[in-house]
Amino acid sequence: QVQLQESGPGLMKPSETLSLTCSVSGGSITNFYWTWIRQPPGKGLEWIGYIYYTGGTDYSPSLKSRVTISVDTSTNQFSLNLTSVTPADTAVYYCARASDIWGTDYWGQGILVTVSS
Amino acid sequence: QTVVTQEPSLTVSPGGTVTLTCASSTGAVTSASYANWFQQKPGQAPRALIYSTGNRHSWTPARFSGSLLGGRAALTLSGVQPEDEADYYCLLYYGPAPWVFGGGTKLTVL
Repeated sequence: QVQLQESGPGLMKPSETLSLTCSVSGGSITNFYWTWIRQPPGKGLEWIGYIYYTGGTDYSPSLKSRVTISVDTSTNQFSLNLTSVTPADTAVYYCARASDIWGTDYWGQGILVTVSS
Repeated sequence: QTVVTQEPSLTVSPGGTVTLTCASSTGAVTSASYANWFQQKPGQAPRALIYSTGNRHSWTPARFSGSLLGGRAALTLSGVQPEDEADYYCLLYYGPAPWVFGGGTKLTVL
């Protein structure tokens, strides 16, 4: 059974850089797209971007200037960096697995990140 | 900026049938959009239900089905159960990127 687990800070100050890690267990990190998705409190889901296991990336146009996603196949982890955070970046951040065959199938439980001065 | 639109809310009676739809601002949704559908209950992560328009995951109950309907992606629930009350989101893939979620449909079973 594939499992994903997000980790990182729960509280940040404006202008800081958010760094989150997703640990993947129960399956290989190869041959999949590893994605980040967020959900502001009480609102809908927003796709942030993905990294393919070979390192290729694509990001949401609205976040592209602030986002970097990286992968470490040796540790079965991938990471999200979001620079210059503001209170508008307050959200539950989810990591998820996607493939050409099964779409976006497995999700982490999510981590709430609050940006406040 | 591509916008994907879902019905904000729908109500269905237990045992009834309801169809949720997902429309794209770029035009008709086709099989090339590989529509995915997700269910989210309060305080939980989304759970995948449907991939590539009409395929159920191994864990998805048979009462959930996906299709294309009038230029939209559609999720039909037949024989609705009380536990189906949840938020439902579609996800459309536009080439390599972006991937765009719909705004979600709040389904009430009443």
